[in-house]
Amino acid sequence: DQQVKQNSPSLSVQEGRISILNCDYTNSMFDYFLWYKKYPAEGPTFLISISSIKDKNEDGRFTVFLNKSAKHLSLHIVPSQPGDSAVYFCALDDGQKLVFGQGTRLTINP
Amino acid sequence: KAGVTQTPRYLIKTRGQQVTLSCSPISGHRSVSWYQQTPGQGLQFLFEYFSETQRNKGNFPGRFSGRQFSNSRSEMNVSTLELGDSALYLCASSPWLLTGNEQFFGPGTRLTVL
Repeated sequence: DQQVKQNSPSLSVQEGRISILNCDYTNSMFDYFLWYKKYPAEGPTFLISISSIKDKNEDGRFTVFLNKSAKHLSLHIVPSQPGDSAVYFCALDDGQKLVFGQGTRLTINP
Repeated sequence: KAGVTQTPRYLIKTRGQQVTLSCSPISGHRSVSWYQQTPGQGLQFLFEYFSETQRNKGNFPGRFSGRQFSNSRSEMNVSTLELGDSALYLCASSPWLLTGNEQFFGPGTRLTVL
């Protein structure tokens, strides 16, 4: 039973354009939402987070949007840069543990 | 400040054997969590230790166990290895309890079971 789904295993975006990564969840009990980025042979690194009382959080080129009624989380990267090529995981905090999505591989093309 | 370290980085075992993986958290961090990453499954939570006590456990069989020492270092043990245990095992630490806090991940231990 997948509580968190990242339906796009991969995404290809041209450098300078906007990258939009999506995450859907089924459990309304999640109260904290995070995005992690992972390069090959490295552990995931924290990118940005948002609490359930907000619907948007911005940090430089990265913005996370939360739509609680639709149970949908998205990460916008603008403008996209070659160094953004990585696997992105959404992670949802249910109060006891983090539940991760399957990841989306983002490739930024020059 | 040194990051989270995991040893060994790579490991090859055969079915039926057991394995112990080690994780040293960032200095001052008291929470250590373990995750299993397999293709298509994302990261699946194994367990979290805080102040030497297992606080939460994921949906894994009893063959998977762990412990945490007084210096916050943690070990994970898998007994009677199966082919399906081949995965990247990630350890993460945070200053306080896992929930509501950013976690810092180590590079992982790649376990291959033959």
